[in-house]
Formats: sequence, structure tokens, C-alpha cells
Amino acid sequence: NAGVTQTPKFRVLKTGQSMTLLCAQDMNHEYMYWYRQDPGMGLRLIHYSVGEGTTAKGEVPDGYNVSRLKKQNFLLGLESAAPSQTSVYFCASTLADTDTQYFGPGTRLTVL
Amino acid sequence: RKEVEQDPGPFNVPEGATVAFNCTYSNSASQSFFWYRQDCRKEPKLLMSVYSSGNEDGRFTAQLNRASQYISLLIRDSKLSDSATYLCVVPMSNDYKLSFGAGTTVTVRA
Repeated sequence: NAGVTQTPKFRVLKTGQSMTLLCAQDMNHEYMYWYRQDPGMGLRLIHYSVGEGTTAKGEVPDGYNVSRLKKQNFLLGLESAAPSQTSVYFCASTLADTDTQYFGPGTRLTVL
Repeated sequence: RKEVEQDPGPFNVPEGATVAFNCTYSNSASQSFFWYRQDCRKEPKLLMSVYSSGNEDGRFTAQLNRASQYISLLIRDSKLSDSATYLCVVPMSNDYKLSFGAGTTVTVRA
């Protein structure tokens, strides 16, 4: 039981490049979330999903897109990376009707 | 006003000391609260849940003051391994979304 995994762990992009971050969970959780964490700030919600095929915007969605084609996977896309997107990205998941979220190990992204 | 605010610290304490810090929240309707622990360059992990006036788990005690809208976390007999950032977390009103404080950093020294 791997829990929540994220791919890749590290990435360096140039401004304007695109990439996709993959989050996978094997706990059969309905809800999945993408956060970014920047120094001095709490985790901020980018997008989330309450089930397969559904997504919704969070607090800071601009510049990101997401997809949840399978219940166990939640993808975060950056179409045209900007230096302001340099951050640590965490994926989390939870069962419906609970508040406890389980986090992946994070992806450290640097945009030059 | 931020939904969740914490004293960033750092709190630098010797082994064996007691350290306590608070978190204030803005949503008076919140019913549950959480403390997560985050080690350097790692993911947050749930430390404690608080659903009523407080909760105790070994050396860790969380207390809730609904009238003043704050939650506190107290660590007794601090260990070196307690060095971490402690995140105060309050559920939002829908879709099981969470509001995270920026964290309180605790460093326990030998």
C-alpha cells in the first residue's frame, strides 16, 4: 500500500515550457487535491476533484489545469510555465465524509 | 483577515522543556480542527484532531477556545525529534477543503 505518490520529485523548467505532474493514490479515496507551498505561506489549494471526471478550482488556479480520468490519478498541468510557479507542489487525497487528508511526498519545481 | 493565522516562531527550546503556541481562525462555524506536522522538505502529516474542547496524545495536548476562536498546541518534555513545523488546519465549509496556517517552527536543541 503505497498511499499517495507523486511524479516527478524534482523538475527544472524554462519559462514557457509545459509539464504534467502526476499524483496517484491506492486508497480508493474519492477526493483529491493539488496544493502549492511557498515560503512563509500556508498550503494554497490550486484545484481539487470530488470524484472521477470532475474537477473544481481552488484558491490559486490560474496557470494550471487538471484532469481526473481515473479515480486513482489526478494530473496537474502547467501549459506555459512562469517563474512565479516555482514552488513545492503537494497532492493529497481523502475519503468522502472525512477531513483527514493524506499527502504525497511533493514535487519541487523550479522555473527559470 | 486570513482564515487561519499562526505565530511563525521560531520557538527554540531545550530538550525537556514545554513549548506552546496558538492558532487563530476566522470561521466561527468551524467544528473540527487539526494539527499537522511537517518535517523539513517533507509532506505534512496529521498529528492530532480536535473536535471538542481539546485532545491529548502522549506529550501533545491541543486545546480549543471557541469563544476566542483559537486552538493551542502544547508539547511537554520536548524531544529533539519534535523539531518540525506545526501546521494549524481548519476545514472550509464545503467539499472537505482545508485552510492551512503558514506554520509554527519549533526547534528543540540538545
